[in-house]
Amino acid sequence: GESVGLHLPTLSVQEGDNSIINCAYSNSASDYFIWYKQESGKGPQFIIDIRSNMDKRQGQRVTVLLNKTVKHLSLQIAATQPGDSAVYFCAETAQGAQKLVFGQGTRLTINP
Amino acid sequence: ETGVTQTPRHLVMGMTNKKSLKCEQHLGHNAMYWYKQSAKKPLELMFVYNFKEQTENNSVPSRFSPECPNSSHLFLHLHTLQPEDSALYLCASSTSGGRYEQYFGPGTRLTVT
Repeated sequence: GESVGLHLPTLSVQEGDNSIINCAYSNSASDYFIWYKQESGKGPQFIIDIRSNMDKRQGQRVTVLLNKTVKHLSLQIAATQPGDSAVYFCAETAQGAQKLVFGQGTRLTINP
Repeated sequence: ETGVTQTPRHLVMGMTNKKSLKCEQHLGHNAMYWYKQSAKKPLELMFVYNFKEQTENNSVPSRFSPECPNSSHLFLHLHTLQPEDSALYLCASSTSGGRYEQYFGPGTRLTVT
C-alpha cells in the first residue's frame, strides 16, 4: 500500500512532538468523518471517526477536531513515534450517500 | 490483519492478458468496494456492491469487470489493460454501504507491461 510517487503534502515532525494533520472538506451536508492511516505495504487502516453532532473525539494518543463552520477536520497525534510514519487520509460521507469521499492524503515523516 | 484478504499481492500482466483479482472478507459485512490508488488519484472509488448488488460504478472502463458472487467475495476481472492502469488495487468492506467505516485489504500491486 505504499504511496511512492504521490506528490502529497508532507508534514515532518520531531519524535516526541505532537503532530497536527489538517483536512478541508467541501460538502456541507457531510455528517460522518473518518481518519485513515496507510503505512508502506499496507492498505488504509481506520484510526478514529467523528459524527457531526460532536466537535471533538479522543482516542489513544489521537484526537479528532471538527469545525463545521469552516468545514475543517484535524487529526492530532500526541508524542509522535516512528511508527506513526505513514500517509493519513480523511474521508467524509453524507446522509443518504453510499460511499466515502477521501481526501488526497498527507505524508507524515518522523525525524529522530 | 483487518479481516480482508486480497490475492495476488503482486501481478504483472501484458496488455493482451486476462487476469482476475480476488478479495475475501471474514467480517460478516454486506458491502464491498474496489478502489484504485495511483500517483494521479490517491484513492479512487471504482465499484460498490451492497448485498451482492452493484450500487456504484464510478465511470470505470469496461476492461475492468467486477463480480460479487456473495457478500464475502469480490472479484475484479481484467482484460486488455493499458499501462496507465498500473496501480495498487484495494478492496474494502463495511457493514453496509457508505456510512460505516471501511476495512481495507493490503491491495494488489498491478503492473501492466
